[in-house]
Amino acid sequence: VLTQSPGTLSLSPGQRATLSCRTSQSVSNNFLAWYQQVPGQAPRLLIYGASIRAPGIPVRFSGSGSGTDFTLSISRLEREDFALYYCHHYGDSLTFGGGTKVEI
Amino acid sequence: ELQVEESGGGLVKPGGSLRLSCAISGLIFSHAWVSWVRQAPGKGLEWVGLIKSQAMGTIKYGASVEGRFTLSRDDSKNKIYLDMSSLTSEDTAVYYCAHVDTDNGKFFLGQWGQGTLVIVSS
Repeated sequence: VLTQSPGTLSLSPGQRATLSCRTSQSVSNNFLAWYQQVPGQAPRLLIYGASIRAPGIPVRFSGSGSGTDFTLSISRLEREDFALYYCHHYGDSLTFGGGTKVEI
Repeated sequence: ELQVEESGGGLVKPGGSLRLSCAISGLIFSHAWVSWVRQAPGKGLEWVGLIKSQAMGTIKYGASVEGRFTLSRDDSKNKIYLDMSSLTSEDTAVYYCAHVDTDNGKFFLGQWGQGTLVIVSS
């Protein structure tokens, strides 16, 4: 089970966002990813391997963590970053966290 | 450029069946691993199933669809199929097809299609 917190994060452009994903069991970094979803659009890969930015993803996005605690950080929020964010574990079954909404 | 495109969504009655298709271009399709993920209205992402290459022969399903949904592939047509049966209102969702990508031992859903909407209603 992947538990994301907080459920909603209310911030202003320019602020830093810190999103948490906690797994019920220790997982390998190799199988932990983060996705961004703008309402009405498909999810987009942001981070894989817990900390590797996908091609074309701005450097303000960063991932960290290991074991059971993982974090997605957005250093300075831009307007297009206000969206939903999901963590994901690629295991024997694929699992998603419940999501964090970053709102203005 | 890798492209993923779903098709086949629509309105179906409870208890009915529907086939979704996923077309992927820009890669050697026979090697492709593909996952389906769905999203009910206003809800989060839910894994539906995973199909690996024919050579590997692995197919897995999420608990909520096991026994009702079937994944298959036709490498000659570069398509993956999701056959859904015994549908209920709980299956109403946007269904996304995603390419399972790898990078030096890391696995993730690299490219997603735009999704196809399935509505189960009488």
